[in-house]
Amino acid sequence: DAGITQSPRHKVTETGTPVTLRCHQTENHRYMYWYRQDPGHGLRLIHYSYGVKDTDKGEVSDGYSVSRSKTEDFLLTLESATSSQTSVYFCAISESDRGYGYTFGSGTRLTVV
Amino acid sequence: GQQVMQIPQYQHVQEGEDFTTYCNSSTTLSNIQWYKQRPGGHPVFLIQLVKSGEVKKQKRLTFQFGEAKKNSSLHITATQTTDVGTYFCAGRTQGGSEKLVFGKGTKLTVNP
Repeated sequence: DAGITQSPRHKVTETGTPVTLRCHQTENHRYMYWYRQDPGHGLRLIHYSYGVKDTDKGEVSDGYSVSRSKTEDFLLTLESATSSQTSVYFCAISESDRGYGYTFGSGTRLTVV
Repeated sequence: GQQVMQIPQYQHVQEGEDFTTYCNSSTTLSNIQWYKQRPGGHPVFLIQLVKSGEVKKQKRLTFQFGEAKKNSSLHITATQTTDVGTYFCAGRTQGGSEKLVFGKGTKLTVNP
């Protein structure tokens, strides 16, 4: 959707290396989320942000950290990538944490070898 | 923690047949949302239901929210090949965490 972009779209990295994924929005939405999608597991929340420098953990946050220094950017870092973190990562934005649908980015396909 | 169960996991239909996916929560929901994800794509928001017993329609799609606000369904009448994709429900717990919890989705394939 226009207004939210993820980069990179694809990445292959080696086990043990740090990786940073970027989510950029032009909608000035307060809420931003990082999900991972794996076969058989659906969408699982990793971390989310409810404002600049305000973040919280989701259900699968181990091994991940996030930062939000500007309203428009939400970064997801895999501190030391493992094969279990091979996944498709989606960023989503929302005007509010209730009452509004999420707008998802196009996703980043990450492969850890 | 809150769980949102969705069935069936897969559904294959002939074009023109109807399709229904069901979503059940272990706890009362404040609202429920539905998303569609085309193959290779990203989830796209379809609709939100808030009121007990609410029914909403979008062309051939009918969405229902149960009276107890613990279950929901999406029904597609006379499926078309453009309906192919995975349909997700996502709910928020009433009085608890306000974050969305997604079901695992129902993957719909349509045979032309």
